Amino acid sequence: EDQVTQSPEALRLQEGESSSLNCSYTVSGLRGLFWYRQDPGKGPEFLFTLYSAGEEKEKERLKATLTKKESFLHITAPKPEDSATYLCAVQAMGGANNLFFGTGTRLTVIP
Amino acid sequence: DAGVIQSPRHEVTEMGQEVTLRCKPISGHDYLFWYRQTMMRGLELLIYFNNNVPIDDSGMPEDRFSAKMPNASFSTLKIQPSEPRDSAVYFCASSFPNQPQHFGDGTRLSIL
Repeated sequence: EDQVTQSPEALRLQEGESSSLNCSYTVSGLRGLFWYRQDPGKGPEFLFTLYSAGEEKEKERLKATLTKKESFLHITAPKPEDSATYLCAVQAMGGANNLFFGTGTRLTVIP
Repeated sequence: DAGVIQSPRHEVTEMGQEVTLRCKPISGHDYLFWYRQTMMRGLELLIYFNNNVPIDDSGMPEDRFSAKMPNASFSTLKIQPSEPRDSAVYFCASSFPNQPQHFGDGTRLSIL
């Protein structure tokens, strides 16, 4: 059964204090791993897709990496506007187009 | 470009009433998904459509839930009769095949 576990559940950082969010997954053949950002009262907003171990993607202060069992979202020198919930999701091989989501990490960046 | 549009944004109704949630996907997207989000369980897939045809409805919790997609630009999720435990935020998303899903801003449903 597909499973996605994100840690920590919540993270408070001082502005400029770099850190990483973890997404551990179990899936019967990974087609893709997705990172989304969700602000309060909004739908998830797509950030990255990773397809194979060793792949990295970057966007501003965010960098996502992928291994065979987990993905990390590294946040470098975060700003208060980076505060949000970050969601990880996996898509399995086999024709299905649906995503299986973790429960997210709620990030708060304090000025 | 217009994103996924959901209506209403908020719905408050009494137990036993019928609730209809609406979604307009991004034009051209082949896939449409309905999710439910709660604090306890996070985002859960309820059902998804490919080219207006329901493909997997195994996430629909009970027969009280039904979803339709009469054409490529409109889908509904209906709950009848509604119960307090159905209170949640319901999201619609759409995508091209094997491409990232794009989400609407959801309908916050409260059943009293």
